Amino acid sequence: NAGVTQTPKFQVLKTGQSMTLQCAQDMNHNSMYWYRQDPGMGLRLIYYSASEGTTDKGEVPNGYNVSRLNKREFSLRLESAAPSQTSVYFCASSEGDEGYGYTFGSGTRLTVV
Amino acid sequence: DQQVKQNSPSLSVQEGRISILNCDYTNSMFDYFLWYKKYPAEGPTFLISISSIKDKNEDGRFTVFLNKSAKHLSLHIVPSQPGDSAVYFCAASGGSQGNLIFGKGTKLSVKP
Repeated sequence: NAGVTQTPKFQVLKTGQSMTLQCAQDMNHNSMYWYRQDPGMGLRLIYYSASEGTTDKGEVPNGYNVSRLNKREFSLRLESAAPSQTSVYFCASSEGDEGYGYTFGSGTRLTVV
Repeated sequence: DQQVKQNSPSLSVQEGRISILNCDYTNSMFDYFLWYKKYPAEGPTFLISISSIKDKNEDGRFTVFLNKSAKHLSLHIVPSQPGDSAVYFCAASGGSQGNLIFGKGTKLSVKP
């Protein structure tokens, strides 16, 4: 099915380890986003990419880096994981036209111990 | 400071009755509002939206109402079904940012 694919689905890291969350979309969307979801906090934007070659910080960017590898792929990197980064991470994409909303991936559940 | 607020963390409704989920916002520059539905272990999915130039949008059992003067919108589900049990997120776009701002969500439970 067309949509947004995230890998891995689950991951456990030790404090201080690094990892990259992968995201790819096959809808030829211009914009891509990374959100985290925490209990009672809703969805908070980490980083976004309005178009290929550009990235911008969202509400909670500290401790993360991103790469817009090409139009399809947008990765999120944790250089030195901390327990506070335990969360469910969602990647999304959109045409860029706000009226169409976003298409989300199924999420990556990350636990940092 | 939260720009999009969903003040009810949870709502329980009997099957067949109406579910009303509420959302308030503070930024008068928002020009598009959306509702997303999320099941456990899945990503949010788009449900319905409304432009700020309208006050109502209907899609089957789902209707969204917008009251711009009160900076308030609501999602009505009639009749409610057990399969509607999920977390519902209100979101808004426009203003100084191009991306969506989400509320914290309301967990709806529809009991048979």
